[in-house]
Amino acid sequence: QSVLTQPPSASGTPGQRVTISCSGSSSNIGINTVNWYQHLPGTAPKLLISNNNQRPSGVPDRFSGSKSGTSASLAISGLQSEDEADYYCGAWDGSLTAYVFGTGTKVTVL
Amino acid sequence: EVQLVESGGGLVQPGGSLRLSCAASGFTFTDYWMSWVRQAPGKGLEWVANINHDGTEKYYADSVKGRFTISRDDSKSSLYLQMNSLRAEDTAIYYCVRAVGGAGGYWGQGALVTVSS
Repeated sequence: QSVLTQPPSASGTPGQRVTISCSGSSSNIGINTVNWYQHLPGTAPKLLISNNNQRPSGVPDRFSGSKSGTSASLAISGLQSEDEADYYCGAWDGSLTAYVFGTGTKVTVL
Repeated sequence: EVQLVESGGGLVQPGGSLRLSCAASGFTFTDYWMSWVRQAPGKGLEWVANINHDGTEKYYADSVKGRFTISRDDSKSSLYLQMNSLRAEDTAIYYCVRAVGGAGGYWGQGALVTVSS
């Protein structure tokens, strides 16, 4: 079961800013870093943000991550049609000794 | 170029066994923790197992503990997942993942495992 909670969907028009939340607890987000993944159907998931706010090489700076307490957020500014995908947060849970993913958020570009 | 290529997926009956392999190339395999992550049809991502650089530390999701075994062969730059006592709910695409929990994360294309009679 997912212990990180995300909204099931988010949407925006091209150029808008969209924010996705990820709510956890003191045993995961509260003490460990958060990663974000982008998953387009039929393709391999891709690391979007690591260590709360670090963008791997090649990831556009339209994507940004932040963390506060037991929650984290992914922001997509200047939304583009190719951003339509599923987005997941993830973090290590020290109590479960397991890596946990969020419930996933489907982003739709209107 | 980093590559992770899974193989060994297929159709298996409930209670059966299957071994997934992941061939890694384009990076120093021994520098990274490796993982298996799966996605069941219509569901989200589910972490399955982790293994550290030299195979001395292994962690498993409760849903597979005691049935699945993760291993690695650094001489072959390969990762494995031995799956026993398979159930219908194990049906999923299984991804081989480099550094799932941090910088340098990279995912393979996945291998489909179907458990059905």
